[in-house]
Amino acid sequence: NAGVTQTPKFQVLKTGQSMTLQCAQDMNHEYMSWYRQDPGMGLRLIHYSVGAGITDQGEVPNGYNVSRSTTEDFPLRLLSAAPSQTSVYFCASSYLDRALNGYTFGSGTRLTVV
Amino acid sequence: DAKTTQPTSMDCAEGRAANLPCNHSTISGNEYVYWYRQIHSQGPQYIIHGLKNNETNEMASLIITEDRKSSTLILPHATLRDTAVYYCIVRSLYNTDKLIFGTGTRLQVFP
Repeated sequence: NAGVTQTPKFQVLKTGQSMTLQCAQDMNHEYMSWYRQDPGMGLRLIHYSVGAGITDQGEVPNGYNVSRSTTEDFPLRLLSAAPSQTSVYFCASSYLDRALNGYTFGSGTRLTVV
Repeated sequence: DAKTTQPTSMDCAEGRAANLPCNHSTISGNEYVYWYRQIHSQGPQYIIHGLKNNETNEMASLIITEDRKSSTLILPHATLRDTAVYYCIVRSLYNTDKLIFGTGTRLQVFP
């Protein structure tokens, strides 16, 4: 049982490049989400999904795309990287039943756009 | 989702109880109170959650006032490893499943 796995752990991109941040969970969680955290700031929700084939926008969705073709995977795509997207990205998952325990977070991807 | 208010920072001596307050005066009847913490550079860690009854687990206790407008997270015997940012979050039951983080309370445990 690996929990939430994020890859890569570190990445440097040039402005305008595209890339995909991977997130996978093996807990059969219905809900998955992506957050970004800028230095000294709290976490901000980018996109989330309540099940395969369903995605929705969070607080700061611009510049990012997501898809959820399977329950296990929720990749985050940066279409054309900008320096403003330099941040630490966290993926999280949980069951949809609110009475169950809270979100499980991955260890993060540290992205630098130069 | 209801908004929460937390102090920016707190200090606590090692071995003493750390009491972290949270105000959520606009909470509605079907919203849970969740607590997470984030130790430097790591992903947030779930601590505890509750609806209206007090809750306790191996990490902490959660005390929710009768009117549910505020709560307190209690770490009964704080250690240096408990130094972290603690987030109090109110989570809606309906429609969306967003978990919106505020700026949290930075707890510093000192020897």
